[in-house]
Amino acid sequence: AQTVTQSQPEMSVQEAETVTLSCTYDTSESDYYLFWYKQPPSRQMILVIRQEAYKQQNATENRFSVNFQKAAKSFSLKISDSQLGDAAMYFCAYRSSMNYGGSQGNLIFGKGTKLSVKP
Amino acid sequence: DSGVTQTPKHLITATGQRVTLRCSPRSGDLSVYWYQQSLDQGLQFLIQYYNGEERAKGNILERFSAQQFPDLHSELNLSSLELGDSALYFCASSVLAASTDTQYFGPGTRLTVL
Repeated sequence: AQTVTQSQPEMSVQEAETVTLSCTYDTSESDYYLFWYKQPPSRQMILVIRQEAYKQQNATENRFSVNFQKAAKSFSLKISDSQLGDAAMYFCAYRSSMNYGGSQGNLIFGKGTKLSVKP
Repeated sequence: DSGVTQTPKHLITATGQRVTLRCSPRSGDLSVYWYQQSLDQGLQFLIQYYNGEERAKGNILERFSAQQFPDLHSELNLSSLELGDSALYFCASSVLAASTDTQYFGPGTRLTVL
């Protein structure tokens, strides 16, 4: 079974600085998808960025980028120019590429990292 | 706003009771997923429906059931409620059931069992 581990329960960053959130995962599959979701105090789950395992190029969305290391099974999120609105829980998630059986389509989440942004 | 709606936002009930949570997917989405977020277990997948049919099951208790109706809205039924069922229940939707599809989450229903 696949697992996702976020080893940093809490992180803090100064406004306008850069912070990196770590995520590792365990899988025997070669093709899969990885995601970072943000959950602000409103509790809404917001997709930040996604990465396809077959793509070597790291995904980027504005100030958010990932460092995807497939061999190391590592998927970190870098937030540049941190803003107060970035304060939230961040969840790393894995999704199998298999479209069959009980694992079809569901996301497997890590425990989350709570990010605080200091003004 | 993701386009996924969930009602009610909050629900307070007593142990042993039964409740129904409702989810309306984004317009055009055929697949609905239910997740439970609790302090103990984190975010866990419960069940998935695609175009009215159950597609996948996760860690869903036998006391819980779900269905997706012809208009594609979905309901999650929780019965014989226990204190440990208190959690935030999310519904997510995607266009199809393919692994390439992005899941968009609703705002969640916070269930408190007293």
